[in-house]
Parts: sequence; C-alpha cells; structure tokens
Amino acid sequence: KNQVEQSPQSLIILEGKNCTLQCNYTVSPFSNLRWYKQDTGRGPVSLTIMTFSENTKSNGRYTATLDADTKQSSLHITASQLSDSASYICVVSAGGNKLTFGGGTRVLVKP
Amino acid sequence: DAGVIQSPRHEVTEMGQEVTLRCKPISGHNSLFWYRQTMMRGLELLIYFNNNVPIDDSGMPEDRFSAKMPNASFSTLKIQPSEPRDSAVYFCASSLGLAGDVETQYFGPGTRLLVL
Repeated sequence: KNQVEQSPQSLIILEGKNCTLQCNYTVSPFSNLRWYKQDTGRGPVSLTIMTFSENTKSNGRYTATLDADTKQSSLHITASQLSDSASYICVVSAGGNKLTFGGGTRVLVKP
Repeated sequence: DAGVIQSPRHEVTEMGQEVTLRCKPISGHNSLFWYRQTMMRGLELLIYFNNNVPIDDSGMPEDRFSAKMPNASFSTLKIQPSEPRDSAVYFCASSLGLAGDVETQYFGPGTRLLVL
C-alpha cells in the first residue's frame, strides 16, 4: 500500500532558527515528490517538485532533499520567519493519476 | 490571472440539503482537481478532470457526491443529500498536466462547508 509519513506532526521554533521536516514514503513506482506550504485558512502553495534524478532543490529559504534509495525527503527551513508558520504537506506521485498525501507537519515560529 | 476561483467561500447547511460548490480554473490549464481536507484525514483527492473529462473519481466517497465540468472554465461538486460528516474544506486546483505529472497545481482558496 502506498503511504507517505511525515514527522514531526508539529514543531515550535524560535524566529531566526533553522528546522528540518521529514517525509518517508513507500510509493512505487516513484515519479516525483512535492512539498506544499499551507497557511491557515488558505489553499496549499507549491514549494518544490523533485523527480527521481534530483536530490536537492531550493526555493528561497526552503531547501528540499530527496534520497530515492532510502525513499526519504526532507524540507529544511533556514533562518525561519514568522511567516513560515504554516502546515507543510509532502505529496508523492506514482505518475499518471496517482498521488499519495502525507498528513502534514504544522510549524509554529515564535518571536 | 486571478488564480483559481471558488464559490461560495463559506457554506452552512442542514443535513439532507443539496450543496453545490463551484470552481473556475486558471485559464489555459487543462486539468482540474477537487480535494477535501479535514483534520482527521488530511488532504484527499476526490476527482480530477483532464480536458473536461473525468479521469479518476476513485476518491469520491459515495454516490451522494458528483462532479461535472461542462466546459474548460467551470466545474461543480455537488453533495446530495449532505450529511454532517461532509463538513470539511473543499479545494479546487488546476494545472497544465495530469495529476502525477511534474506540473505545479494551483489551489483555490477553498470552500468551508459546515453541515448541521
């Protein structure tokens, strides 16, 4: 069964600090992996999309990594800001029509 | 472009009533997706259309749910009859590719549905 597990479920960090979110998946075959940011009360917004051949992709202060061998991905937030407070969702595609969603990690950045 | 437009933004209805959610995708996008999000189940893909044709409706929970896309610029998700367990935020998204393609999906603001 295709599954995407995210950890931690939630975390609190101080403004200016770094943090790393984890995504482990068992989706097969693998096509691509996406990270979304979802602010409270709004729709998700795409941060990165990575294919099998990509192991790092950045979007500003967000850096995603992918290890297709161990089926793990991480999202690193550098120098966190209050606006980074949101839920972060990992989505893995098996190609075609199949998407498997993680449960998300809720991040709270405190001043 | 104004992005994906959804209406209404909020809907409160009583159990047994019909609910219709509406979506206008980004112009030029050929795929449209309907999602449901709850605290318990997270984000779930209900159905998606490509070139106005339903491609995968395996996520539609039961026959009370139906979706249509009569043209490239409009889609509806209907729940009839509604039940309290249908309470959730319903998102519409659109993209240039299929669900699993390496194409960004753009989400609308969502419709927050409460069934009493």
